[in-house]
Amino acid sequence: QMQLQESGPGLMKPSETLSLTCTVSGDSISGRHYYWGLIRQPPGKGLEWIGSIYYSGSTYYNPSLNSRVTISLATFKNQFSLKLTSLTAADTAVYYCARVFHYYGSGTYCDAFDIWGQGTMVTVSS
Amino acid sequence: QSVLMQPPSVSGAPGQRVTISCTGSNSNIGAGYDVHWYQQLPGRAPQLLIYGNINRPSGVPDRFSGSKSGTSASLAITGLQAEDEADYYCQSYDSSVSGSVFGGGTKLTVL
Repeated sequence: QMQLQESGPGLMKPSETLSLTCTVSGDSISGRHYYWGLIRQPPGKGLEWIGSIYYSGSTYYNPSLNSRVTISLATFKNQFSLKLTSLTAADTAVYYCARVFHYYGSGTYCDAFDIWGQGTMVTVSS
Repeated sequence: QSVLMQPPSVSGAPGQRVTISCTGSNSNIGAGYDVHWYQQLPGRAPQLLIYGNINRPSGVPDRFSGSKSGTSASLAITGLQAEDEADYYCQSYDSSVSGSVFGGGTKLTVL
């Protein structure tokens, strides 16, 4: 059974760059044409999609974060990673990794997040 | 302000039926993009509850059902149980964002 595990620094300072890694177990990250996604949730608030990456390496990002976000694959480690630059307190959140169920439905391609990691809390504070 | 609008809270007694609405626009639900629903139990990661408007992943009880019409979608829960107390989120694709958008979430309280 596939599982995802996030690993992150916990505490960051404003203006620093967050590096977060998602480790996939139970299946190959490059198998079956999977997509992979990152979602975050500020304390007490709702979910925000950060971006997604295809097994081929192509990416798409939330425009509100686009200039600060990079998602990449490390297939030899069965991992994918997030880099988020110029951190502010507004980036304080639980960060989740998820597998994207990418399918053709209702006349277009659709993404649902079908397997999630447990999440890792990232706090940005001076 | 979320792109998809949900009521902040709903409540119901055990055994009752509740519905949670998700209202979008012509750049997301109204454009025909599928809606998905997630359940987030307290202190836990979200779990996919409904995908493709009406489909339940394996293991999800048939007490949970989804529907979609026009620019809105709904999640219905019948035979309400104490264990259903959680936050529920809808999600779809938005062409103006060129990516996924979530509703603000609805807290379900079982009285």
